[in-house]
Formats: sequence, C-alpha cells, structure tokens
Amino acid sequence: DTEVTQTPKHLVMGMTNKKSLKCEQHMGHRAMYWYKQKAKKPPELMFVYSYEKLSINESVPSRFSPECPNSSLLNLHLHALQPEDSALYLCASSQDRGADYGYTFGSGTRLTVV
Amino acid sequence: LAKTTQPISMDSYEGQEVNITCSHNNIATNDYITWYQQFPSQGPRFIIQGYKTKVTNEVASLFIPADRKSSTLSLPRVSLSDTAVYYCLVGGNDYKLSFGAGTTVTVRA
Repeated sequence: DTEVTQTPKHLVMGMTNKKSLKCEQHMGHRAMYWYKQKAKKPPELMFVYSYEKLSINESVPSRFSPECPNSSLLNLHLHALQPEDSALYLCASSQDRGADYGYTFGSGTRLTVV
Repeated sequence: LAKTTQPISMDSYEGQEVNITCSHNNIATNDYITWYQQFPSQGPRFIIQGYKTKVTNEVASLFIPADRKSSTLSLPRVSLSDTAVYYCLVGGNDYKLSFGAGTTVTVRA
C-alpha cells in the first residue's frame, strides 16, 4: 500500500458544527503532516507529527485540533470554523521527518464552511 | 530554510520538452532538491529528487549544477496530461519546509 487515504473527500459544515477529517497510511511512515491549500495558492503547513508526537504547530488557530491516535492515523478536529477556513486540506506522510525523505500526499478534503 | 524562486507559468505544446528552472541560492550542504506535480483538487505528487549532478527516472530528469544554487526539471515530450503546477522544494532535515509559489505548466495540442 503506497497511498495516503483521506476522508471525507468533500465536507460542508456550518460555523457552529464540529467535524473531523481523517487521514490514514499503511506505509510505516513515522511523520505525518496537515497542510491547508487555498485556491491557486501553494500548500501551507499546519501541523507536523513525528513518531506520534506533535512536533510543529504553525500558529494555527485553536479551532483546528490535530490528533494522532496511532502511527497510521491522523485526525484534524474542526470546531467553530469561519468561512475563510474553506480550503483543500491535505494530509501527507514521510518515512521520517524531513524533506529529504519525500512526502506522499493524500487527495485532500475539500472543506466548505457556510 | 532555502527559499526557492520559479517562473510563475510556462506554456508548451504536445511533444515538446519542458524545462523548469528553480533558483535556491542559499541551499544548505545537506539539502536535497525535490519536485512535485499537482493537478487541480489533488494532493501534490512526488516526481523526482536529487542532490547533485543528474537524476533520471521514468517521467523526468533533474539537472543540478556543481554549485547547487539552481536546478532544472526536464519533462520530455509532454502531453496534455502534464498540464499541472510544479513545485520545487529544497530542504534536508527541515520538516517545516514550505512550498514556493510553483510553476503552472500549460500544454496545448
């Protein structure tokens, strides 16, 4: 299995809702990442998990809450989002932390906040 | 972090070779150069990675001069399906790596 699987593919949520994005990989990768991508912009790093521990939080608002239940799963819990949070949310993994290992990305979750 | 600079866009025709150059003047000794391809509404896909000289795989070649301050991704004989955004990333152990603006390549029939 050489894929990163993200669910759901599309999500529409209201500003008072709580939802979660899920990411799964079975490549034995020990680093996992969440990126946010707005239309016609490059992906922006949000969080990095390394060996199931949060390594990086790029000053992301607390309405985004990451969780790494085990080495294969990564969740992103969403609460009280704003319309400007609408974007493509990408999960990625790498063998270990560091760009030289190369990232494998999922296809993303298209999030719309109404 | 090694900042990268790429052309914003490039146009080509089917069957031509496309070369995209990325500048990374402050590349560190242990940094690798990695290229990704992204189609609309999909995640970036790893294309090729190199450290120095030339690397070739089944889809692309990567040329890196001796000073390593730039690199060129070469896509041979492009087709319409190669229309995408191409990102150059430079980094080694730095896992806070950020994507640059990327190059939008448009292939026309």
